[in-house]
Amino acid sequence: DAKTTQPNSMESNEEEPVHLPCNHSTISGTDYIHWYRQLPSQGPEYVIHGLTSNVNNRMASLAIAEDRKSSTLILHRATLRDAAVYYCILRDVGSGGSNYKLTFGKGTLLTVNP
Amino acid sequence: DAGITQSPRHKVTETGTPVTLRCHQTENHRYMYWYRQDPGHGLRLIHYSYGVKDTDKGEVSDGYSVSRSKTEDFLLTLESATSSQTSVYFCAISAIRDRVGYTFGSGTRLTVV
Repeated sequence: DAKTTQPNSMESNEEEPVHLPCNHSTISGTDYIHWYRQLPSQGPEYVIHGLTSNVNNRMASLAIAEDRKSSTLILHRATLRDAAVYYCILRDVGSGGSNYKLTFGKGTLLTVNP
Repeated sequence: DAGITQSPRHKVTETGTPVTLRCHQTENHRYMYWYRQDPGHGLRLIHYSYGVKDTDKGEVSDGYSVSRSKTEDFLLTLESATSSQTSVYFCAISAIRDRVGYTFGSGTRLTVV
């Protein structure tokens, strides 16, 4: 599986934008870029995903580099409830029906200061 | 989360006893997964299913078995529980197309004493 690299931790201030980076230099053409987050004592929660183009939803934006070797999750205005571990994951959907697996790394622990 | 429930939420069991955890979905999704989460290891895939009676092993499958006799239920069984299987277990579901992400359950905290 193609791997991702994320910083172990990041810190932000409330109501400021947050840019969470992810490197995936060995990404293949059929890998989707997924972001999940896990709040304390909860299961992971889907945030956003994309393939080539930048994506926006109500939670966040995903900026994908032109060569797809890196991406950035953007939280436009961090709140205290955004404090969580954020996971960047590559999901290969090119190998057929049995290979729809998500492999989690260590993620980035985001701390939001009031 | 809506559409997926895990039971029980908490369980304490003795070493050597069999334990079954249940994941139930109402989304009619094809794919279902069992993960465990431990401090220092993050989330690790135990087993997954890509259809009724179609299952495969993940990276930490030893000591676990699964069954899926109908679309909505995915059972995880610890044949003979050990203390190393004390963990938080998460079930997840996914549709066949990549238009949506995975949805995770709230987790089952299992303690083996």
